[in-house]
Amino acid sequence: NAGVTQTPKFRILKIGQSMTLQCTQDMNHNYMYWYRQDPGMGLKLIYYSVGAGITDKGEVPNGYNVSRSTTEDFPLRLELAAPSQTSVYFCASRDSSSYEQYFGPGTRLTVT
Amino acid sequence: AQSVTQPDIHITVSEGASLELRCNYSYGATPYLFWYVQSPGQGLQLLLKYFSGDTLVQGIKGFEAEFKRSQSSFNLRKPSVHWSDAAEYFCAVGAPGGGSNYKLTFGKGTLLTVNP
Repeated sequence: NAGVTQTPKFRILKIGQSMTLQCTQDMNHNYMYWYRQDPGMGLKLIYYSVGAGITDKGEVPNGYNVSRSTTEDFPLRLELAAPSQTSVYFCASRDSSSYEQYFGPGTRLTVT
Repeated sequence: AQSVTQPDIHITVSEGASLELRCNYSYGATPYLFWYVQSPGQGLQLLLKYFSGDTLVQGIKGFEAEFKRSQSSFNLRKPSVHWSDAAEYFCAVGAPGGGSNYKLTFGKGTLLTVNP
């Protein structure tokens, strides 16, 4: 049981490039979340999903897109990378009967 | 809207000393409350949670937290800190009831340094 996995662990992008951050969970959780963490700022919610085919914006969605075609996967897409997107990105999931979120190990992204 | 304040950005304690990390929340009723720990380069791990009932909750790694409604606080404590407790600690609040709109709001974190 791997829990929540994220790939890649690290990535450096040039301004204007695109990439997809992968997130997979094997706990059959309905709810999945994407956060970004900036130094001294805590975690900010980017997007979340309540099940396959259903996504919604969080607090800081601009510059990002998501999709949820399966229960297990919740990829986060950056279309035109900007330096302001340099951050550590965390994916999390939870079961519909629980309020505890389980976090992945994170992806550290640098945009230069 | 819910919010969380962690007044201390950085705390340094000596190994073996007691620890208290402060957390204050803003919410119209009693929220769900959580403490997470993040070791360097790692994701967040849940230490403990409070939903209702006994206001003193026990968590993993010897941590406990006390919910005080009158002070809108949920402070984290440990009687004797170990060097391995050095990490960043996040308090989080969620609105009761769950559902599709249930989201956690995190504080900005408190970085704990442990001196030998």
